Amino acid sequence: RKEVEQDPGPFNVPEGATVAFNCTYSNSASQSFFWYRQDCRKEPKLLMSVYSSGNEDGRFTAQLNRASQYISLLIRDSKLSDSATYLCVVNEDSNYQLIWGAGTKLIIKP
Amino acid sequence: EAGVAQSPRYKIIEKRQSVAFWCNPISGHATLYWYQQILGQGPKLLIQFQNNGVVDDSQLPKDRFSAERLKGVDSTLKIQPAKLEDSAVYLCASRHQVGYTGELFFGEGSRLTVL
Repeated sequence: RKEVEQDPGPFNVPEGATVAFNCTYSNSASQSFFWYRQDCRKEPKLLMSVYSSGNEDGRFTAQLNRASQYISLLIRDSKLSDSATYLCVVNEDSNYQLIWGAGTKLIIKP
Repeated sequence: EAGVAQSPRYKIIEKRQSVAFWCNPISGHATLYWYQQILGQGPKLLIQFQNNGVVDDSQLPKDRFSAERLKGVDSTLKIQPAKLEDSAVYLCASRHQVGYTGELFFGEGSRLTVL
């Protein structure tokens, strides 16, 4: 089965710093890409879709590199509330069959 | 708008017993997913429905797991008999069929402990 891989972390980052993490995917035909955020003992929630041209939402920037088959998430001016697990999700086909990474745990420290 | 409803929130059973989880997706959402999430791992797809048809159940352990979505609305996931390794959170998610960009909405999950 095709895979999506993430560094599990944890990334321990001081408040106010910039942090970035990547996610690699194995299926070059993958159609669309997403970052979901999951707080401890909560359900995942969509953070951002990732577009080919890259996209930004406030302090969050997502990029797609099709040639190297990875997506990235950059968080600027990190807040304590950004502490969570960030899940990379790849849509492989028209049936919207999603492949999930195991997540990267981010801990923002005061 | 009401979210995805799941029940029960918590369930503790002994191995070899059976358990059933229920999910009611967001109204109008054609696609429904059941995921298993073990602590420290990403969600693992068990089964995906499009209306009342199965799109993908390749990772469903069919010897013990079953799921149905008879009227294309709510769904049940059953485990019989349960094993210790089935201890996990069972997440239901739904999505309105709108091409590739449709967001998945998750329920709060059903946390299963098998003793």
